[in-house]
Amino acid sequence: GDSVTQMEGPVTLSEEAFLTINCTYTATGYPSLFWYVQYPGEGLQLLLKATKADDKGSNKGFEATYRKETTSFHLEKGSVQVSDSAVYFCALSDRKGAWGKLIFGQGTELSVKP
Amino acid sequence: EPEVTQTPSHQVTQMGQEVILRCVPISNHLYFYWYRQILGQKVEFLVSFYNNEISEKSEIFDDQFSVERPDGSNFTLKIRSTKLEDSAMYFCASSDVAGGLGGGTQYFGPGTRLLVL
Repeated sequence: GDSVTQMEGPVTLSEEAFLTINCTYTATGYPSLFWYVQYPGEGLQLLLKATKADDKGSNKGFEATYRKETTSFHLEKGSVQVSDSAVYFCALSDRKGAWGKLIFGQGTELSVKP
Repeated sequence: EPEVTQTPSHQVTQMGQEVILRCVPISNHLYFYWYRQILGQKVEFLVSFYNNEISEKSEIFDDQFSVERPDGSNFTLKIRSTKLEDSAMYFCASSDVAGGLGGGTQYFGPGTRLLVL
């Protein structure tokens, strides 16, 4: 079945460092891809998305490019802030049915130190 | 900005008891979902709901679970007889377009943390 694999956490960075969180997927169709973020004590918030190959999603300085050839959707940010500390989830939307359930990776915890 | 709300934020119950988790989706959304996250594990899909019926459910969503949209605003998840392994964070989500068709986006509530003792 479809699946998403993320790099293991936790990831600890200093403020202004470059961030990459790797995400690869397995899918039989042409999924939409998402990054969600969960701040401490809160629910899941959509960070960015891409719906087809070579699309780049971006938001709040984060970006990710849908790479069909490598089945990847890596999250990047050029300069992280302490406020970016959170758990990041990569997900794909199942297109087999019309109802689009999300399949999540295991989440990657990011801790940014001042 | 419209948001999905969930009540209660925390619920503690005894094994074998029934619980009802409540969600108010975004008002013009038509597709509704429940997910759960057991501590330290992935977020897992439970069920999707459209036009007053279940459109898809996972293996987790057995006969102990049911969903309902009792009125025009609420969407509930009922667990008939809770087990210890039902302890998890339960998230409700809603979407105005089915994910996968034009890239619909699911908006999540803050979750209900359920603890079964």
